[in-house]
Amino acid sequence: GQNIDQPTEMTATEGAIVQINCTYQTSGFNGLFWYQQHAGEAPTFLSYNVLDGLEEKGRFSSFLSRSKGYSYLLLKELQMKDSASYLCAVRDPDSGAGSYQLTFGKGTKLSVIP
Amino acid sequence: IAGITQAPTSQILAAGRRMTLRCTQDMRHNAMYWYRQDLGLGLRLIHYSNTAGTTGKGEVPDGYSVSRANTDDFPLTLASAVPSQTSVYFCASSDNSIGYTFGSGTRLTVV
Repeated sequence: GQNIDQPTEMTATEGAIVQINCTYQTSGFNGLFWYQQHAGEAPTFLSYNVLDGLEEKGRFSSFLSRSKGYSYLLLKELQMKDSASYLCAVRDPDSGAGSYQLTFGKGTKLSVIP
Repeated sequence: IAGITQAPTSQILAAGRRMTLRCTQDMRHNAMYWYRQDLGLGLRLIHYSNTAGTTGKGEVPDGYSVSRANTDDFPLTLASAVPSQTSVYFCASSDNSIGYTFGSGTRLTVV
């Protein structure tokens, strides 16, 4: 099984930097996703890490340490539109033909204030 | 249709009634999934299908059934709805590229 932990809520100021942490204990691991979900909407893909290290994509970066079971999502130059929930999800080993299961953390609700 | 379409968008259902949530994709993805999302519990997998003709149980399958007669459609049925099935339901699909594609969700209230 999978156990995924992330903080429930965070608040940060517009223009600042915020780091959202995710820790996991898993019976199988084939990568870690971060999704963004605005209230009332579907999750949308942000990043995917399968190897250790930092992946940077514009204002968003994601880091993975497989030995520590740890990941974080870094958001720079925060904007009001970044207020959303951020979901950490662990990818199980693939079942083949593009099929794999994701186990999601409960999500971190980020509020960006002026 | 572009991506995944779910219907209905929202529904209020009397307890004990039968309900089918529809999910259709036009991306020819092999795998499809149903999740429910509840406050404080996050997204939990109900059922999945690796390919047309096969289905499997996820973390919370009780009270739900699915079928996968073809690649495009993956309906979720509640045989006899109960109030604890009040939730937001998301359908998703995947292929060999990275990440799930999610539908826009169905908000179901069982009263």
